[in-house]
Amino acid sequence: QKEVEQDPGPLSVPEGAIVSLNCTYSNSAFQYFMWYRQYSRKGPELLMYTYSSGNKEDGRFTAQVDKSSKYISLFIRDSQPSDSATYLCAMSGPSNTGKLIFGQGTTLQVKP
Amino acid sequence: GAVVSQHPSWVICKSGTSVKIECRSLDFQATTMFWYRQFPKQSLMLMATSNEGSKATYEQGVEKDKFLINHASLTLSTLTVTSAHPEDSSFYICSYRTRDGPQHFGDGTRLSIL
Repeated sequence: QKEVEQDPGPLSVPEGAIVSLNCTYSNSAFQYFMWYRQYSRKGPELLMYTYSSGNKEDGRFTAQVDKSSKYISLFIRDSQPSDSATYLCAMSGPSNTGKLIFGQGTTLQVKP
Repeated sequence: GAVVSQHPSWVICKSGTSVKIECRSLDFQATTMFWYRQFPKQSLMLMATSNEGSKATYEQGVEKDKFLINHASLTLSTLTVTSAHPEDSSFYICSYRTRDGPQHFGDGTRLSIL
């Protein structure tokens, strides 16, 4: 079993839809949770960075962490074609040495 | 936000050549640097971790004599793929982090060995 599970998709939605991306994990020691967006042939771009449980909002993006269920989510409101990319969840902890454990990544396509 | 510059973005070379990839942080002083490789439609695979002025720590299965990492300053790290062969063809990505922050990634280098 992988430490971090993420459905690879692909996920296809119409423009304007609300997108929900999720990851589950098995290591209860994880404390730091991140979402990255990666366009084709580019490096990952940090979208959200959260510590422990709770919600965090930034523009159209909302990240949720439920440590009791070992489940994290990223919501994208009013999705745009420019959101089409691969979304990677990543986590680390508890000492936050920086070494990340990544999910496989979910490919999202937002159709105009 | 943080900016990480990686160069070159794409390199094609003959088998047996050594290739150097540079990674610079442009607007903050990094404490730790990471090098990854990524195959098509797969997630990132960590190759090594290094702190400024220290030897890199390589992940299991990564040949340290094959992939030479130099982290001479807070703002510059290099990865040299020595005597590259076609199986070394991949997408190589560096990242930096500050003391308590997340990792910020470069735009990657596509390496093609003929």
